[in-house]
Amino acid sequence: DGGITQSPKYLFRKEGQNVTLSCEQNLNHDAMYWYRQDPGQGLRLIYYSQIVNDFQKGDIAEGYSVSREKKESFPLTVTSAQKNPTAFYLCASSIGGQINIQYFGAGTRLSVL
Amino acid sequence: EDKVVQSPLSLVVHEGDTVTLNCSYEVTNFRSLLWYKQEKKAPTFLFMLTSSGIEKKSGRLSSILDKKELSSILNITATQTGDSAIYLCAVRRGGGSNYKLTFGKGTLLTVNP
Repeated sequence: DGGITQSPKYLFRKEGQNVTLSCEQNLNHDAMYWYRQDPGQGLRLIYYSQIVNDFQKGDIAEGYSVSREKKESFPLTVTSAQKNPTAFYLCASSIGGQINIQYFGAGTRLSVL
Repeated sequence: EDKVVQSPLSLVVHEGDTVTLNCSYEVTNFRSLLWYKQEKKAPTFLFMLTSSGIEKKSGRLSSILDKKELSSILNITATQTGDSAIYLCAVRRGGGSNYKLTFGKGTLLTVNP
């Protein structure tokens, strides 16, 4: 089955710790995205990547980092510099080009211990 | 900066009612507007509207784009409890290979039996 897999579903971060959220897609999509969702806030773009080995900051990139070494993988690291990391994190991918419908994974809920 | 505003932010109706959700936008060089439904976790794609496709319909759901008023509506007729969800509106600007979507805060729809 083609789709986007995010792991883990739930993650707890200790003070001062970096944590990495995984996102894998087997849709052969070129573009991948990370969003943060807070209650009543909709989706806010953290980072996006249109091709392998290239990525751009979104609207709220501070305290986060990403890599895109493979087409199918786009991990997000929440660093200790992100002072308010508790949120629901969604990964998406799209084929790009004219259509660019984004398809989403099931999300990772990150909480601070 | 692109802007998407959805209204109302929340809505409670009874099964069988018809609802209209609104989305207004300000975006440079508009390319497309997308509607998503988010029940528990992953937003799922509903419709994409463009200048060449300003009206879409699927079953009890329909959507119209008003390019003059810079807005869109999502109609749901004969609502069911399974329609309870957050409905997200997003817009994409044109220009080159810009794949970014800007999301509104969403409308939380609750359908009571």
